[in-house]
Amino acid sequence: DAKTTQPPSMDCAEGRAANLPCNHSTISGNEYVYWYRQIHSQGPQYIIHGLKNNETNEMASLIITEDRKSSTLILPHATLRDTAVYYCIVRVAGTSYDKVIFGPGTSLSVIP
Amino acid sequence: GAVVSQHPSRVICKSGTSVKIECRSLDFQATTMFWYRQFPKKSLMLMATSNEGSKATYEQGVEKDKFLINHASLTLSTLTVTSAHPEDSSFYICSARDPRTRLAGNNEQFFGPGTRLTVL
Repeated sequence: DAKTTQPPSMDCAEGRAANLPCNHSTISGNEYVYWYRQIHSQGPQYIIHGLKNNETNEMASLIITEDRKSSTLILPHATLRDTAVYYCIVRVAGTSYDKVIFGPGTSLSVIP
Repeated sequence: GAVVSQHPSRVICKSGTSVKIECRSLDFQATTMFWYRQFPKKSLMLMATSNEGSKATYEQGVEKDKFLINHASLTLSTLTVTSAHPEDSSFYICSARDPRTRLAGNNEQFFGPGTRLTVL
């Protein structure tokens, strides 16, 4: 799996949009971008994934640059419950090689 | 989404004892499950891939005789920490891939809530 780089920590005001960047400059053509988050002392939670098009679901939006070398996870209206560590992972989808390798992630603190 | 459970959620044991942690997929069958370990303020580290009906595949540096993995059914994988020592104290997390999402072009993995092991 390609490596990713994320800022170690970010703050966001409650009610504002949280924009979490991720660089994946060595991503391959068949690798997807996945985002997970981990709230303290809980298991990780899947958020969203995409290949090249922007994606949106009930939790977040994923913006992938045209060259696919970076992406941004957007939480449109951050709440205190969104305080967590967010992991950006690139991996091949739909194969038997399903390992999810976590980097250090971004610790997001939502501030009242 | 699919649900993965772990039992127990928390365990405290004496040094030298063995501890078994269960990981169950509650509403789907998982031929493959994964075990992770997480130390305080650190990221998750993949320990091994558990394959139903066959031997687990361990990541480099993980002692297979120390961390015994059994995947006897399509909904249950167990991790046994043998002869546990204080340095084995950690947060252990399992995950499973829902094959139904794979067929839909997704490759989503679902994670259990974790088991906190404390070895005295």
